[in-house]
Amino acid sequence: ILNVEQSPQSLHVQEGDSTNFTCSFPSSNFYALHWYRWETAKSPEALFVMTLNGDEKKKGRISATLNTKEGYSYLYIKGSQPEDSATYLCAPHSGYSTLTFGKGTMLLVSP
Amino acid sequence: ETGVTQTPRHLVMGMTNKKSLKCEQHLGHNAMYWYKQSAKKPLELMFVYNFKEQTENNSVPSRFSPECPNSSHLFLHLHTLQPEDSALYLCASSQDLAGGYNEQFFGPGTRLTVL
Repeated sequence: ILNVEQSPQSLHVQEGDSTNFTCSFPSSNFYALHWYRWETAKSPEALFVMTLNGDEKKKGRISATLNTKEGYSYLYIKGSQPEDSATYLCAPHSGYSTLTFGKGTMLLVSP
Repeated sequence: ETGVTQTPRHLVMGMTNKKSLKCEQHLGHNAMYWYKQSAKKPLELMFVYNFKEQTENNSVPSRFSPECPNSSHLFLHLHTLQPEDSALYLCASSQDLAGGYNEQFFGPGTRLTVL
């Protein structure tokens, strides 16, 4: 079982603020890193699947970077909106098993 | 229906009951998963099926019994559960296992309460 750490545990920002979260994972035997968004009362939804060191992906105002050598990924949200309020989960894949999820970062964006 | 569906959405059962959770995916995927989400814990993988074959059992107690009759359907049979088994049970699917490169699509979950 991989040790996956996400920080901060929770975050409360104002509409329009930009924010970022961190996901740390073991750098050995790395295959892929997934980011999911989980809104209350909905299903987790995939944001990104990242595989290469230095990878950078973007979807609208959300972007993510990956450093496989040091074992971390950052998720950035530019100009947060209330609809961005959700728990953001990261999950690395080591190749031996399937995904190992972190506890997530709970984001609340106030109007 | 599209995506991944789960029934029932809510279930309350006694410790001596037998019940089943159902998951169906309409995405043409070949891999299906059961996860458990307990309060203040990360999503925990329970079982994985790939092309109807179980490829992973993550040390789950035998009171949870999965069944995958075809690539579109996944069941979780529950028998003599304990109150600590109360949790949200999520089903997911992906194209296949492919070394973790395929995103997973999740159902809405079944909120289970064991009395």
